[in-house]
Amino acid sequence: GNSVTQMEGPVTLSEEAFLTINCTYTATGYPSLFWYVQYPGEGLQLLLKATKADDKGSNKGFEATYRKETTSFHLEKGSVQVSDSAVYFCALSRSINAGGTSYGKLTFGQGTILTVHP
Amino acid sequence: DTEVTQTPKHLVMGMTNKKSLKCEQHMGHRAMYWYKQKAKKPPELMFVYSYEKLSINESVPSRFSPECPNSSLLNLHLHALQPEDSALYLCASSPDRWGGVVTEAFFGQGTRLTVV
Repeated sequence: GNSVTQMEGPVTLSEEAFLTINCTYTATGYPSLFWYVQYPGEGLQLLLKATKADDKGSNKGFEATYRKETTSFHLEKGSVQVSDSAVYFCALSRSINAGGTSYGKLTFGQGTILTVHP
Repeated sequence: DTEVTQTPKHLVMGMTNKKSLKCEQHMGHRAMYWYKQKAKKPPELMFVYSYEKLSINESVPSRFSPECPNSSLLNLHLHALQPEDSALYLCASSPDRWGGVVTEAFFGQGTRLTVV
């Protein structure tokens, strides 16, 4: 079956430090890969995505590259801010075909809590 | 409009109450989802609707009853819940694809449910 493994947190950094959150996956075929972020008391927001091997997703200074050879999608940011404090979820999605339609079924990692101090 | 709107934001209900959660999107997405999220855990899929038909029920207890009245609306009817059902309930939507690339799901802000 499909699975996603994220590095365990919590991760605590000082402002302007470099961030890496590791994510590896197991899946058949070619899933799409995502990073979602959840701020306290809120729902999930898409941070970035990649839909094929070697694609690089980027947004708000965050980056991740779809590496099929290592089945990885590590999240990086060169200089974190206090406002980046949140829970980060790595996820993959595979297309499910049912009754003439299809949709994506998400599989999430366990989440990594990031706290950034001034 | 790239929003998924959920109401109410917070709900407190007794174990004998009946209540409903509502979700709305106007992005033309034909797949809609209910997820349950406990504190410090990832979301767990409950139900998937595709073209207003129930496609997946992840062995959810019958005290949760989903409904998709039209392509923009998704409801979750709640009855006789237990305290352990207290959680954040998230609605999401995504475009449908037939053999194509899977794109992202858009999530609402969630309903924080407390069962007393």
